[in-house]
Amino acid sequence: DAGVTQSPTHLIKTRGQQVTLRCSPKSGHDTVSWYQQALGQGPQFIFQYYEEEERQRGNFPDRFSGHQFPNYSSELNVNALLLGDSALYLCASSLWGRRNTGELFFGEGSRLTVL
Amino acid sequence: GDSVTQMEGPVTLSEEAFLTINCTYTATGYPSLFWYVQYPGEGLQLLLKATKADDKGSNKGFEATYRKETTSFHLEKGSVQVSDSAVYFCALTRGGATNKLIFGTGTLLAVQP
Repeated sequence: DAGVTQSPTHLIKTRGQQVTLRCSPKSGHDTVSWYQQALGQGPQFIFQYYEEEERQRGNFPDRFSGHQFPNYSSELNVNALLLGDSALYLCASSLWGRRNTGELFFGEGSRLTVL
Repeated sequence: GDSVTQMEGPVTLSEEAFLTINCTYTATGYPSLFWYVQYPGEGLQLLLKATKADDKGSNKGFEATYRKETTSFHLEKGSVQVSDSAVYFCALTRGGATNKLIFGTGTLLAVQP
């Protein structure tokens, strides 16, 4: 049973560029959430997707956008990169609604460095 | 807004020592509480959880009790091992459909042989 997979694992960009990160949820899961984990900090909620729609959003600017595909996989896009966007980006999958046990399953993350 | 505060690390212990990592929370209502662990080079994984007051979550020798009167969820283990070295995160969720997690800043535990 495949867990949550993310790609790429590491990437380096320069300020002003755009980046796309990808995530495949755990088999059987239909909900994908994205978190940003800055060095030495806890993960911060970016947004969550279910049925290809953004369902909830954290306190992140519009430069951060996402998408969910019919197969439940998801992308996180960040435009106009800033140095402060350097972080580990975590994808988490779960079930929606009453089937939700409260547990999130996390991938290993994509480490983004902005120079 | 909701928040989680946990003790700063690093926490350095000798093998077989007793571990406590403090966690307190601020939230209205009755959140569910979690401890997640992040081993070096791996993703976050759930260690234990408690969904209502006085519940005790336990796993792999770790325990935490949901104390609503003190808004706390302290993590304990009676005898740590070198393999327990990791970063531990306390978190809460209000529940509902979105189950968005709010994390503390994490506590690095280093266990020496």
